[in-house]
Amino acid sequence: EVQLVESGGGLVQPGRSLRLSCAASGFTFDDYAMHWVRQAPGKGLEWVSGISWNSGSIGYADSVKGRFTISRDNAKNSLYLQMNSLRAEDTALYYCAKDMASIAAADPFDYWGQGTLVTVSS
Amino acid sequence: SYELTQPLSVSVALGQTARITCGGNNIGSKNVHWYQQKPGQAPVLVIYRDSNRPSGIPERFSGSNSGNTATLTISRAQAGDEADYYCQVWDSSIYVFGTGTKVTVL
Repeated sequence: EVQLVESGGGLVQPGRSLRLSCAASGFTFDDYAMHWVRQAPGKGLEWVSGISWNSGSIGYADSVKGRFTISRDNAKNSLYLQMNSLRAEDTALYYCAKDMASIAAADPFDYWGQGTLVTVSS
Repeated sequence: SYELTQPLSVSVALGQTARITCGGNNIGSKNVHWYQQKPGQAPVLVIYRDSNRPSGIPERFSGSNSGNTATLTISRAQAGDEADYYCQVWDSSIYVFGTGTKVTVL
């Protein structure tokens, strides 16, 4: 059974940093691209970032480019999101999602975690 | 940037057919994926690459895509189909989600 478990969320002040983690199990982690998707309270889904199976291809939404960094450790079956210079508008539930393919381009997300909540407030 | 427009809400009578549209410029040339999200839960993929169903998704869910509109169709709607539905495409090296549609089964 595929499982994606996010952690690392919490309350953080504007301008500070936070690192999210996603522990994956139930599939061959290094065969697939992975993504972070967020959902602000009461709002829709927003893709944040994606990374290919070997970290060779990485993409970011314009809203986080230059502030967030995605990475993965295939030996630990883990995905990460380093979030710097956080803003109030980054407040959201952050989901880890598995791509259906190895390259983060055009394919759907076939499994999602339950999310970790990030609140940016003073 | 590419935009995907969905109706805010769609209502359907129990057992009838609901159609959820997703509008985008020449969306027919892209692969469209659809997700269902029930309150307090993570999204679930229900249709991928326009019209393909993942395993475990009922045949009542179907999709089409042509011109400037992609459509998710829910046949014989059930109470359990009440949820928010989002379309998604890949454009200019980023993923774009639609604005989301709340489906109510009456």
